[in-house]
Amino acid sequence: QSALTQPASVSGSPGQSITISCTGTSSDVGGYNYVSWYQQHPGKAPKFMISDVSKRPSGVSSRFSGSKSGNTASLTISGLQAEDEADYYCCSYAGSSTWVFGGGTKLTVL
Amino acid sequence: QVQLQESGPGLVKPSETLSLTCAVTGYSISSGYYWGWIRQPPGKGLEWIGSIYRGGSTYYNPSLKSRVIISVDTSKNQFSLKLNSVTAADTAVYYCAASSDYDMAFDIWGQGTMVTVSS
Repeated sequence: QSALTQPASVSGSPGQSITISCTGTSSDVGGYNYVSWYQQHPGKAPKFMISDVSKRPSGVSSRFSGSKSGNTASLTISGLQAEDEADYYCCSYAGSSTWVFGGGTKLTVL
Repeated sequence: QVQLQESGPGLVKPSETLSLTCAVTGYSISSGYYWGWIRQPPGKGLEWIGSIYRGGSTYYNPSLKSRVIISVDTSKNQFSLKLNSVTAADTAVYYCAASSDYDMAFDIWGQGTMVTVSS
């Protein structure tokens, strides 16, 4: 069970859009539509942002969207705002009631 | 509203056992969630440790399986983590979290508790 691969960092200017990729295998990301995304500000617990690849829970801005193609999932944030600066983690169900996280991506809003 | 709260020692000696408890409020621990533990070493990413389902079946990260036990106390509506033979590499913030069994996402998180392994 290896960690999912995310870029270490991404950046964008306010108002722009960015995309964070999350690459796994056919045993996790590619095998199930159970990819979730989490936002973590420094010193805080992760916040649940996306489930089932692309579903937003109540209260999460529509600027956040998710997608998946093959073994790679993606999180897109449109209309970047300063408050979006945080670490982002993907997570995939990996079968047999196990989960695997990505290594995390630091988003910098320029 | 489901809430989770971790508790336990903040300092554990090498080779000893790390023990943490997560108190669940607002929901019966015997119902349809996977109750799990996730950790985050300082400056690093999240790692799923393991989960327990409906108060019984346990599932562990293969890399930690030989050292981990997760259990439930339904009378206290809480679940626990025991990690034995700890080393400095086990120093981390430990979160308890709940994953629903319909979207398999960690919908609910505790605030986390820092555990340092040091003599």
